[in-house]
Parts: sequence; structure tokens; C-alpha cells
Amino acid sequence: AQTVTQSQPEMSVQEAETVTLSCTYDTSESDYYLFWYKQPPSRQMILVIRQEAYKQQNATENRFSVNFQKAAKSFSLKISDSQLGDAAMYFCAYRRGSNFGNEKLTFGTGTRLTIIP
Amino acid sequence: ETGVTQTPRHLVMGMTNKKSLKCEQHLGHNAMYWYKQSAKKPLELMFVYNFKEQTENNSVPSRFSPECPNSSHLFLHLHTLQPEDSALYLCASSPQQGTGNTIYFGEGSWLTVV
Repeated sequence: AQTVTQSQPEMSVQEAETVTLSCTYDTSESDYYLFWYKQPPSRQMILVIRQEAYKQQNATENRFSVNFQKAAKSFSLKISDSQLGDAAMYFCAYRRGSNFGNEKLTFGTGTRLTIIP
Repeated sequence: ETGVTQTPRHLVMGMTNKKSLKCEQHLGHNAMYWYKQSAKKPLELMFVYNFKEQTENNSVPSRFSPECPNSSHLFLHLHTLQPEDSALYLCASSPQQGTGNTIYFGEGSWLTVV
């Protein structure tokens, strides 16, 4: 079974600074996807960034980027130029790759990110 | 607005009540999911439906009864719940193929069982 581990229950960062959230996972699959979701106080789970395991290039979305280390099974999220609106719970998630769209997500326990003004 | 709408957003029910949570997706997806989010626990997958057919039941107690009448709608019928069932229930959907298999979530329904 796949597992996702987030070892940092809470993190804080000064506004405009950079912060990195850690995530490790365990799988025997070779084809899979990794995601970071953000859950603000509104509780809606919002996709931040996605990484396909077969891609060596790290995914980037504006101020958000990942460091994907497939051999180490590590998938960290870097947030640059942190903004107050980035304050939220961040969840790392794993999904097995397949030809069908109904594969489940396995989530980590989350990291609560606080932005200090 | 992610295209996945859940109602009601908040629900308080007694242990003997019967209520339902509703989810509707406007994204043309074919797979729909129910997740449960409890305090200090990872999100737990409850059910998966693919083209209206249930493809996964993650050992969920029978007091939770899902229904998927079509690919756009998903219900979670609740009866004789326990206080420990109080949680945020998240509905999600994903396409059959394409768009990187991304799952899109609704805003959740807060359930309190008293």
C-alpha cells in the first residue's frame, strides 16, 4: 500500500521569504502522480501543483515549485515570496497512474503554514 | 469555484436522524468520490464511483449509504450516525482520462452529530 508522510505538522515563514514543505512517500509503482493541495480556512481543497513521476523536470507554477527526487521518494514544495494568502494547510498526495480516471488519492497528514507579516 | 458544489455546507443532526449530503459537479467528469476529513487525521477515502458504478468502498460502516444516480450527482445518505462521525465530508470528481488525472474537490460539508 502507498503511504505519504509529512513530517512537519507546522511551519511558519516571514512574508516575502521562501519556505519549503517536506513530503516523502512509499510505493512500488513506477507510474504515478504527486500533488500538493492547499486547504485554506474555507476548507476547500485547492490544487497547487502536480508532478508526473515519468517527468524528470520539476514542476513549477508561478511562486510554487517542487523538488522531485524519485529515487529518494521525496517531493518537497517550495513557496517563494510568501504572501499572507498562502496561509493554509498543505497536503501532499499520491495517486497511482492508470488509463482510468478513478484512481484514489492518498494524502499525508498535512503541514499548517503560517505567514508572519 | 472549482465546479464541484456540495450542499448543505453545514449540517447538525441527531443520532436517530436521517439526512443526506449532496454533491454536483459541472466539469463533465466521470468519476466521483467521497472523502472524510477528521481532526488530525489524513483524509480518508470512503467511496469511489466511476460512470455511476461503485468501484471502491473503503470499509465504510453501513450507516453511510452512497448513491450516484448519474455521473454529475453523488449523494451520501446518513442514518443512525455516531458522534465520532462528526467531520468534514469532501466530495471530489475527476475525468476518465486526461488532465493529468487531477481530482477536483468541493468545499465540503461540515457534519456535526449530537
